[in-house]
Amino acid sequence: QQQVKQSPQSLIVQKGGISIINCAYENTAFDYFPWYQQFPGKGPALLIAIRPDVSEKKEGRFTISFNKSAKQFSLHIMDSQPGDSATYFCAAKKRWGNTPLVFGKGTRLSVIA
Amino acid sequence: GAGVSQSPRYKVAKRGQDVALRCDPISGHVSLFWYQQALGQGPEFLTYFQNEAQLDKSGLPSDRFFAERPEGSVSTLKIQRTQQEDSAVYLCASSTRQGPYAGELFFGEGSRLTVL
Repeated sequence: QQQVKQSPQSLIVQKGGISIINCAYENTAFDYFPWYQQFPGKGPALLIAIRPDVSEKKEGRFTISFNKSAKQFSLHIMDSQPGDSATYFCAAKKRWGNTPLVFGKGTRLSVIA
Repeated sequence: GAGVSQSPRYKVAKRGQDVALRCDPISGHVSLFWYQQALGQGPEFLTYFQNEAQLDKSGLPSDRFFAERPEGSVSTLKIQRTQQEDSAVYLCASSTRQGPYAGELFFGEGSRLTVL
């Protein structure tokens, strides 16, 4: 059973456009929702994370929107750049303790000029 | 070192061979995780260490997989009698328990295993 469902699988966006990636989860015990960015041949790196007590978090061009009642969260990349081309993974876990972080299947983003 | 270091970066094994993958976490990070990432998929949890104690090995797919961290620093993931379905990138990650975001993982670049 996939605990975090991510869509779309791939995404092509024009330079300067907005990239939107969506995730949904089932486990209501999850209360920490990070997004990881992975470039080819590299390990995932934390991009931005949100707690469920806020509905939105913004860091530069990256914004997480969180809808607790719908059990959904999304990543928005504003003014997308070719350097943003990577695979993005949403993830979820219980905030406290070292329970495993569970990942979505990933979205391959291509930003074209 | 500054980041999580994994070796070898690439490993080709014949079916049935044993392999050992090494992870050197960020200095001072007490938590260490192993993940398996199949091609085009997200990382899947394998096992977790807190210092030298293996607290969760629920993700290990079979008894052919074994992990250890004897001194609470370097960890080794061993796969015995490798099968083709073991082909994947094996990612190691470490984290500090300080602060509320225990989920922030620092990943290495991974060890890509190909079983022929």
